[in-house]
Amino acid sequence: DSGVTQTPKHLITATGQRVTLRCSPRSGDLSVYWYQQSLDQGLQFLIQYYNGEERAKGNILERFSAQQFPDLHSELNLSSLELGDSALYFCASSPSPGPPYEQYFGPGTRLTVT
Amino acid sequence: GENVEQHPSTLSVQEGDSAVIKCTYSDSASNYFPWYKQELGKGPQLIIDIRSNVGEKKDQRIAVTLNKTAKHFSLHITETQPEDSAVYFCAANLGAAGNKLTFGGGTRVLVKP
Repeated sequence: DSGVTQTPKHLITATGQRVTLRCSPRSGDLSVYWYQQSLDQGLQFLIQYYNGEERAKGNILERFSAQQFPDLHSELNLSSLELGDSALYFCASSPSPGPPYEQYFGPGTRLTVT
Repeated sequence: GENVEQHPSTLSVQEGDSAVIKCTYSDSASNYFPWYKQELGKGPQLIIDIRSNVGEKKDQRIAVTLNKTAKHFSLHITETQPEDSAVYFCAANLGAAGNKLTFGGGTRVLVKP
């Protein structure tokens, strides 16, 4: 158990809908990362937050957004969902954004868009 | 941006044999190289990492080597056991100060008893 928690574990929704994925980092970690894992794209970095502020962006679609709250938990919002958004979404956390620290991953949320 | 290539994509070994997975990266400024193990239905688990000021690191049956000049790093698993069966991912951070990770495509390792 990495200490990173994610809810829900599974999510099934229809195209065009909006969902929110939640992540709680390990105790003491201030930085949160979101990754998407799909069969064709592999594991891809989406976005990073540190202590409530956006720190870095990766291949995140405009339909996706995220935030980190004062209690350090983070939410990833996916809107206008398409079939291609079906994937595993992972959250990871580290003590700070750098120098490079170990990132510990949560168990993930499996999103299925029908 | 950073590009990480990982080989092989699948690896089948007999229990007790060694397994080697190789990765190359493109960004010469990268200085952190973790390896993750992902079992079915679970998130990636950090198993070992290496920083650019070190050439080799060992932890029991696993070891990682780094060749900065050639920009490649490898994972070595000795005395493989059935519980080592999983998908393994290498990764590299983007830039010397960054903590964004770029992942390789993964290697599915099957250890046959």
